[in-house]
Amino acid sequence: GAVVSQHPSRVICKSGTSVKIECRSLDFQATTMFWYRQFPKQSLMLMATSNEGSKATYEQGVEKDKFLINHASLTLSTLTVTSAHPEDSSFYICSANDRGRDYGYTFGSGTRLTVV
Amino acid sequence: GENVEQHPSTLSVQEGDSAVIKCTYSDSASNYFPWYKQELGKRPQLIIDIRSNVGEKKDQRIAVTLNKTAKHFSLHITETQPEDSAVYFCAAKALGYSTLTFGKGTMLLVSP
Repeated sequence: GAVVSQHPSRVICKSGTSVKIECRSLDFQATTMFWYRQFPKQSLMLMATSNEGSKATYEQGVEKDKFLINHASLTLSTLTVTSAHPEDSSFYICSANDRGRDYGYTFGSGTRLTVV
Repeated sequence: GENVEQHPSTLSVQEGDSAVIKCTYSDSASNYFPWYKQELGKRPQLIIDIRSNVGEKKDQRIAVTLNKTAKHFSLHITETQPEDSAVYFCAAKALGYSTLTFGKGTMLLVSP
């Protein structure tokens, strides 16, 4: 089945530094990648949607200059949290839409970010 | 945009009982309704989904029903087991759009 690999699984960084999270679709071409943020005991909140080769579409309230998304190929998307602050600490998870399956959504394993 | 409401937020049942989680959606153009199970610290896993051209789908102990007129869909788990304990999310997707809109989740606790 479709697999999305997400790295790192956990990261601790200092305030003011940047962190890059990668998501790769291993056995399919991801037309679209979705990036979510999940706080403890809450639902998945969509941050942005990216299509290969084009700029990401950000949800209302999400700072595009702080959360940089790059989707340079059909198998790789990255999320960079710039100038991280403790309030950015959260669980970040990606999801990829299989180009060949309109209804196929596969999630990465998530990244637990802790900013100290 | 689409709005998905999910109830209850928490559900406690005894092992062997049935569990029902209900969701409503606002966009009549929605045509795809998946259900995900998420264990603590892990990725959501698709457990069952239904498209708008059918009213019910079953997979062993899990079933989903869809009422397009009322714009609601439900997850039914029979003969619950402790390993069914997790957070369950419903979602909806509109035809022509790629974005899934999630409900707020239901924490299911199955006691032995």
